[in-house]
Amino acid sequence: GDSVTQMEGPVTLSEEAFLTINCTYTATGYPSLFWYVQYPGEGLQLLLKATKADDKGSNKGFEATYRKETTSFHLEKGSVQVSDSAVYFCALGGLMNYGGSQGNLIFGKGTKLSVKP
Amino acid sequence: NAGVTQTPKFQVLKTGQSMTLQCAQDMNHNSMYWYRQDPGMGLRLIYYSASEGTTDKGEVPNGYNVSRLNKREFSLRLESAAPSQTSVYFCASSDVRAGYGYTFGSGTRLTVV
Repeated sequence: GDSVTQMEGPVTLSEEAFLTINCTYTATGYPSLFWYVQYPGEGLQLLLKATKADDKGSNKGFEATYRKETTSFHLEKGSVQVSDSAVYFCALGGLMNYGGSQGNLIFGKGTKLSVKP
Repeated sequence: NAGVTQTPKFQVLKTGQSMTLQCAQDMNHNSMYWYRQDPGMGLRLIYYSASEGTTDKGEVPNGYNVSRLNKREFSLRLESAAPSQTSVYFCASSDVRAGYGYTFGSGTRLTVV
């Protein structure tokens, strides 16, 4: 079935380091892809998205490119800050699943990022 | 500018007690969802409502019931709470106009003792 696999954390980086969080997916059809971020004690917030192959989503210095050939949507940031410490979730959607709702998203298990000063 | 509002934020129940988690959205979204989040398990879909008047089971529906009261409100009920239902519960809404991206509530932290 459709699924999302993220690199396991936790990931610990020093401030200003380069960040990559890997995400690959398995899907029948052509999904939309999302990255969500969860700060401590809060709900998930949409960080960025891409709806078709080769699209690049970007927000707050984060980027991810929808790669159909490698079925990947890796999250990158050139210089992380302490305030980026959070859990990051990759998700796919826009497919028929759970009985047929195209709105349902399938989430990865999340990757915890800690950034130290 | 409220988005998705969940109540309560925290709750402690005794085994066998019942309770209802409330969720309301003010974005006129058609679809609403209930997830639970457990350490190491990510987010798991409990129930969803694709549109007003419909509800469907997700990945882990056992022990829960839902009601889509109207377009704004989607409640989750635990009829007889069990310790295995200790979790953080999130409500979310989405719509094709939002590209199916979800807007999440801030969560309800439930402990069953």
